Amino acid sequence: AQSVTQLDSQVPVFEEAPVELRCNYSSSVSVYLFWYVQYPNQGLQLLLKYLSGSTLVKGINGFEAEFNKSQTSFHLRKPSVHISDTAEYFCAVSYTGGFKTIFGAGTRLFVKA
Amino acid sequence: NAGVTQTPKFRVLKTGQSMTLLCAQDMNHEYMYWYRQDPGMGLRLIHYSVGEGTTAKGEVPDGYNVSRLKKQNFLLGLESAAPSQTSVYFCASSYSIERRSGSYEQYFGPGTRLTVT
Repeated sequence: AQSVTQLDSQVPVFEEAPVELRCNYSSSVSVYLFWYVQYPNQGLQLLLKYLSGSTLVKGINGFEAEFNKSQTSFHLRKPSVHISDTAEYFCAVSYTGGFKTIFGAGTRLFVKA
Repeated sequence: NAGVTQTPKFRVLKTGQSMTLLCAQDMNHEYMYWYRQDPGMGLRLIHYSVGEGTTAKGEVPDGYNVSRLKKQNFLLGLESAAPSQTSVYFCASSYSIERRSGSYEQYFGPGTRLTVT
């Protein structure tokens, strides 16, 4: 079965430190990959997406992610986090030819002053 | 544009009661989805629709029904609520630019927090 694994359920980090949130997905020939962010008591909003082309994609709020086909990973990074980045982050995959998106369990990023 | 809206925002039901959650989108999207979000489990797909008048089961459809009579609306019904249905429910929509290649990013509503006692 297709699946998405987010390797960390919680990531505490100090303000201005770098952060990496890890995501692996089950292998497939062709995939679209997404990171969504959910702020408290809100719905999810798109942070960035990989459809094709360059494996390094940049998103909003200074986040970026790298698609690694051989390792079936799509890790999210930010070089310097802010208190306002405290939120839950979801990795998601959509397989070409399907209408559905599979979400990971989420990683709660907590930025400390 | 309002995007995706959900009604109501909060609801408390007693076991056995019924209710309908309404989702509306003004982006002319083809696909619509209902998810439930529970702690540590991410988002699980309940039902989805690929167009007006069509619906299909997702990962956790038991105890729920849906209808999509108009392209912009997607209704989720609970016929006889159970405590296991206590959750936060999200509606989403998406637009497939290339229909044969599947859907792209999803746009989410703000959620409905449902408690069943």
